[in-house]
Amino acid sequence: DGGITQSPKYLFRKEGQNVTLSCEQNLNHDAMYWYRQDPGQGLRLIYYSQIVNDFQKGDIAEGYSVSREKKESFPLTVTSAQKNPTAFYLCASTPGGQGGKKLFFGSGTQLSVL
Amino acid sequence: AQSVAQPEDQVNVAEGNPLTVKCTYSVSGNPYLFWYVQYPNRGLQFLLKYITGDNLVKGSYGFEAEFNKSQTSFHLKKPSALVSDSALYFCAVSYPTGGGNKLTFGTGTQLKVEL
Repeated sequence: DGGITQSPKYLFRKEGQNVTLSCEQNLNHDAMYWYRQDPGQGLRLIYYSQIVNDFQKGDIAEGYSVSREKKESFPLTVTSAQKNPTAFYLCASTPGGQGGKKLFFGSGTQLSVL
Repeated sequence: AQSVAQPEDQVNVAEGNPLTVKCTYSVSGNPYLFWYVQYPNRGLQFLLKYITGDNLVKGSYGFEAEFNKSQTSFHLKKPSALVSDSALYFCAVSYPTGGGNKLTFGTGTQLKVEL
């Protein structure tokens, strides 16, 4: 099956700890995105990458980091600098190029603080 | 800055009745507009999009939406609601040029369809 795989489904972070969320796609898409979802606030863009080895900050990048070493993979690290990390994190991808293409989403990772 | 507004946190409708979920947008130029649906603890599923052309767009599961440029709206509609339509619905907009396909989402509207 082609699609986007996010892991783990649930993740717990201790204070001062960095954690990494995995996102893998086998759709051969150029662009990948990370969104954060909080109740009542919709989805907010954290980082996005339109091509391998390149990425840009979204609206709420502080306390997060990403890498894009392979086309298929776009891991998100939630660092200890992110003081309120509890949220549902969604990864998405598109074929890239000009706008108007729909995003394909993974099933999400729920991150909670212990 | 581009944005979308979903003025209703929740919409309740009886099964079999028509439903409308509202969305207005604020962006310069000609926007690309999308609707997505989310079931509990799941990712978002694409319903439909407006790029250009016919203002009435038909999408998945019997949903449709009408692009109204004068009112800057893109309301989601369905002629006859089903209990299984109960979910969280998001409107989204993207830049026509530049920025690739990154979307700006509304805050979501919870649709509850009751028997």
